[in-house]
Amino acid sequence: GQNIDQPTEMTATEGAIVQINCTYQTSGFNGLFWYQQHAGEAPTFLSYNVLDGLEEKGRFSSFLSRSKGYSYLLLKELQMKDSASYLCAVRGNQGGKLIFGQGTELSVKP
Amino acid sequence: GAVVSQHPSWVICKSGTSVKIECRSLDFQATTMFWYRQFPKQSLMLMATSNEGSKATYEQGVEKDKFLINHASLTLSTLTVTSAHPEDSSFYICSASIQRSTGGDSNYGYTFGSGTRLTVV
Repeated sequence: GQNIDQPTEMTATEGAIVQINCTYQTSGFNGLFWYQQHAGEAPTFLSYNVLDGLEEKGRFSSFLSRSKGYSYLLLKELQMKDSASYLCAVRGNQGGKLIFGQGTELSVKP
Repeated sequence: GAVVSQHPSWVICKSGTSVKIECRSLDFQATTMFWYRQFPKQSLMLMATSNEGSKATYEQGVEKDKFLINHASLTLSTLTVTSAHPEDSSFYICSASIQRSTGGDSNYGYTFGSGTRLTVV
């Protein structure tokens, strides 16, 4: 079967750093994506990892370990507007479809 | 950039009626479109994959006779919720797979429609 796990909720303070973890077990692996989604809106692409290691993009970084089936999204210098749901998604080897984790609802507090 | 236009943004319909949701690729050809459903506080659940000119592939547990998907052209895919019931109330969103080139790196990405909030009363 296919399984993607993330924490359901996280809370962090403005200006701090937060790490959102994602573990996956899928039939085949062809890349891992992180998206940000505000309620009632489409997901917004944040990052893509297909090789092991860290990808950095401004305040956002994403890490992948394929051998461990593990990824994390790191958000630095948190801002109130970062309060959103963060979705981990894996592309397997079945026609390019993305399978999403349940999402992590991040609340940033002053 | 690649844009998918999804309409309507929201719709309210009576129980037993059918609703059609459209996704159009505005500046590229979408050979593959994915349809997702999202209930409140939950993640995106893949319903089906449609390829232009062929029958859609439905995920396990999704009723193909209830959720009709048509992908007759490279720029239009539609999802029709037939005989809608209150439990079908959800956020429906489409996503087209595209080839994205950014700053010298290239990967296969996805562009999402803006979603349709369906409420069945």
